[in-house]
This record gives sequence, structure tokens and C-alpha cells, in this order.
Amino acid sequence: EIVMTQFPATLSVSPGERATLSCRASQSVSSNLAWYQQKPGQAPRLLIYGASTRATGIPARFSGSGSGTEFTLTISSLQSEDFAVYYCQQYNNWPSFGQGTKLEIK
Amino acid sequence: QLQLQESGPGLVKPSETLSLTCTVSGGSISSSSYYWGWIRQPPGKGLEWIGSIYYSGSTYYNPSLKSRVTISADTSKNQFSLKLSSVTAADTAVYYCARHNGATCCGGMDVWGQGTTVTVSS
Repeated sequence: EIVMTQFPATLSVSPGERATLSCRASQSVSSNLAWYQQKPGQAPRLLIYGASTRATGIPARFSGSGSGTEFTLTISSLQSEDFAVYYCQQYNNWPSFGQGTKLEIK
Repeated sequence: QLQLQESGPGLVKPSETLSLTCTVSGGSISSSSYYWGWIRQPPGKGLEWIGSIYYSGSTYYNPSLKSRVTISADTSKNQFSLKLSSVTAADTAVYYCARHNGATCCGGMDVWGQGTTVTVSS
């Protein structure tokens, strides 16, 4: 089993600032990594796949980077609608998710 | 526009079998371009992949659930289904169906159902 670890668990950032979320895999997953955003009471929304490719309709302020075991999701200028929980998911092996990072308003 | 909708009982008794169906509209599960999956989320917790299916019937299951899970597809109804046997309170969760982005299993999931809450209780 590939264990995905996200940090920090909670990130407090002011609107307009940059947010950087991290995800680490217990072994290499190459670029087989996706990021999701989930708001309360809603299904997750795919943001990034292939570690760095934005999904359809995702604003350019969302970007993903990394390969192997270390990955980053960057939100360049936080909007009010971006405060949510973010999950990473590897699919190099059978899929597994990180425990999530809660992005909250500072 | 592709839409997925989960349906099934919201309450299941311990030791019984949980059965859910995902109805796909605005697209076909017979497309060779996608896999279709089930994911769950216990209350206040994170996401867990349960398993996925290709229209041909090929399936992939989470090893931790494999002994209890069966996923099947009915292309004539454009549906795929989940059966989880011998349920306990630990199986209480919101269950989602979703489409995998890509013709190989099991990549990013780009279209999701709204989710259905299943409670295991006597």
C-alpha cells in the first residue's frame, strides 16, 4: 500500500495571498498524482491530474508540481471560494488518498 | 453534460449486504475511454477508494475491501453497481460514484455523483 501524507493538516492564509500545500508518497508514484478540492456537503472536485495538468475548467491560479514522492499544490492568489479541504490521490498503484489539508481563512 | 447519480438504501443492518447503483446520464459507460469507480467517506474523515470497473467487466478492488466487494456494470441500463457484504458500523459513510479520467485504471476522477449516505445500524 502506498501511503500518502499531506501537510500541514490545517493552513491559515489570508485572501489574496499564496497557499502552498504538500503531499508526500511513501514510495515513488511517478507523476500519477491528482489533487481534489472538497467543500462541506459536496463531492470532491478534480483540480489537477498527472501531477501538473489542470482539469477542465480549473482556474489558472491552481498549479501542481512534483514527481516521484514529493508534490505541491499552489494556489497563487486565494479567492474566498478556495477555502476548503484539499486531498491528494496517487494512482500509480491502486488508488489511495492523503488525509487532507484544510485551508482556512486567516 | 455527464451526470452520475447514486441510489440505494440509506440504512443497512450489520452483517447484511450494502447495495448501491450509479446511474449515468449524458454519456455512456460503454465508452472505451473511461473507468468508473466507487469511493466512500466516513463521517468527518477522508476519502477511500473502493473499486472500479471498465465496461468490459474488468474490475479493480481496494485490497483491504476486496473480500467483501463486488462491482458490476449493466450497459443496457447505463449503470454500474456496488455490493459490500458483511457490513459493520465502520462501513457507515457517504458513498460516491465517479468517472476516472482516462482509459486506464485508476486515474483522477473528473465527474462525481452527489453522494449517498449509508448508515449501518440495527
